Amino acid sequence: GESVGLHLPTLSVQEGDNSIINCAYSNSASDYFIWYKQESGKGPQFIIDIRSNMDKRQGQRVTVLLNKTVKHLSLQIAATQPGDSAVYFCAENQGGKLIFGQGTELSVKP
Amino acid sequence: NAGVMQNPRHLVRRRGQEARLRCSPMKGHSHVYWYRQLPEEGLKFMVYLQKENIIDESGMPKERFSAEFPKEGPSILRIQQVVRGDSAAYFCASSPTGTLGQPQHFGDGTRLSIL
Repeated sequence: GESVGLHLPTLSVQEGDNSIINCAYSNSASDYFIWYKQESGKGPQFIIDIRSNMDKRQGQRVTVLLNKTVKHLSLQIAATQPGDSAVYFCAENQGGKLIFGQGTELSVKP
Repeated sequence: NAGVMQNPRHLVRRRGQEARLRCSPMKGHSHVYWYRQLPEEGLKFMVYLQKENIIDESGMPKERFSAEFPKEGPSILRIQQVVRGDSAAYFCASSPTGTLGQPQHFGDGTRLSIL
């Protein structure tokens, strides 16, 4: 069965606010995680990844935090913009195949 | 660099027909992965291939589904005798190698509709 799950199916934020999307995983041996963004009618777009030997990684306006103690992963988006509206998936790499969560739909209000 | 290319973008088939979905990986990528996505759901792994080899097909139904990635040309996902339940979006991804820590990059998918 799936080992990755997301806490909330939808998230609505005001433009300019920060967004936090959470993800839990169950396999304590997991050592590589990826966040994807999927817009309607398109394929998942790579956002950021993190290995288990790190607890934080930053990109442009995005930060991924990994808490191995509680098996929790989060994606933080700073100064959320309308273009950030999409479904966000966390994925766990298991021997090459990705195990995806159900996704969180982020809506940005102007 | 061109991204992962999938075609056709939309495919309509009647029950019992065959569906062939094609995927050209990013330049320099020799590992290909196929996933299926049902409406309002996440992606489900189907099969992982390297040139001329199937690495992991644990997510692929045992009957009617097959995949290949020949030495030359695109990867093909083939569904024989399609049924209504095969209606879904099928995504292909690629990576340079299978080394952990290399993200998979996705195409925009083929939306398969079964009449």
